[in-house]
Amino acid sequence: GQQLNQSPQSMFIQEGEDVSMNCTSSSIFNTWLWYKQDPGEGPVLLIALYKAGELTSNGRLTAQFGITRKDSFLNISASIPSDVGIYFCAGQLNIASGSRLTFGEGTQLTVNP
Amino acid sequence: GAVVSQHPSRVICKSGTSVKIECRSLDFQATTMFWYRQFPKQSLMLMATSNEGSKATYEQGVEKDKFLINHASLTLSTLTVTSAHPEDSSFYICSAPSLTSGSFYNEQFFGPGTRLTVL
Repeated sequence: GQQLNQSPQSMFIQEGEDVSMNCTSSSIFNTWLWYKQDPGEGPVLLIALYKAGELTSNGRLTAQFGITRKDSFLNISASIPSDVGIYFCAGQLNIASGSRLTFGEGTQLTVNP
Repeated sequence: GAVVSQHPSRVICKSGTSVKIECRSLDFQATTMFWYRQFPKQSLMLMATSNEGSKATYEQGVEKDKFLINHASLTLSTLTVTSAHPEDSSFYICSAPSLTSGSFYNEQFFGPGTRLTVL
């Protein structure tokens, strides 16, 4: 099936550093979502973006919905050890309850204390 | 937020046996649920869309006779892996959409996943 191109695949940073990751798609999505997955668990929603150009923050997290509807980025500021995990972007064509998600390949984040 | 549970959390079975995985929406109803499969160090791949009261919709390349889906009620969907083989070993995750409090939008709530190991 279709997948989103997510980069980087992995990041190794020091505690306190800022992090940026992004997703691109060859097709348009009307909703962009960012999830975090801890080992052995299901993904948890971090930020949801519903309008092109939208910039949304959730604590130390900031995400933007690209104006072309084909990309999105997620920034994490002042990283802490508990930020460790896999971050996934996901695109959705519409917000209907039956609308499927298409996931990016994920970014594995490691934070060194 | 809404809670989705899965049972069992992990299962080990012999090759050739069938395994049933349950996905429940605990505090909301879901006419649609989604089943994903995730191999180690890979992303979530949608397997099928489970529809309450009707047949599931399978993604291309997913064998419907091997991965049986039953959505018998508004809070329960089951995935049965029939005649499991070692290559079916994976992390299976379900999700269900629900309106988040104070929002007009449906958020996908994910279950904790089921680790299947086929020997």
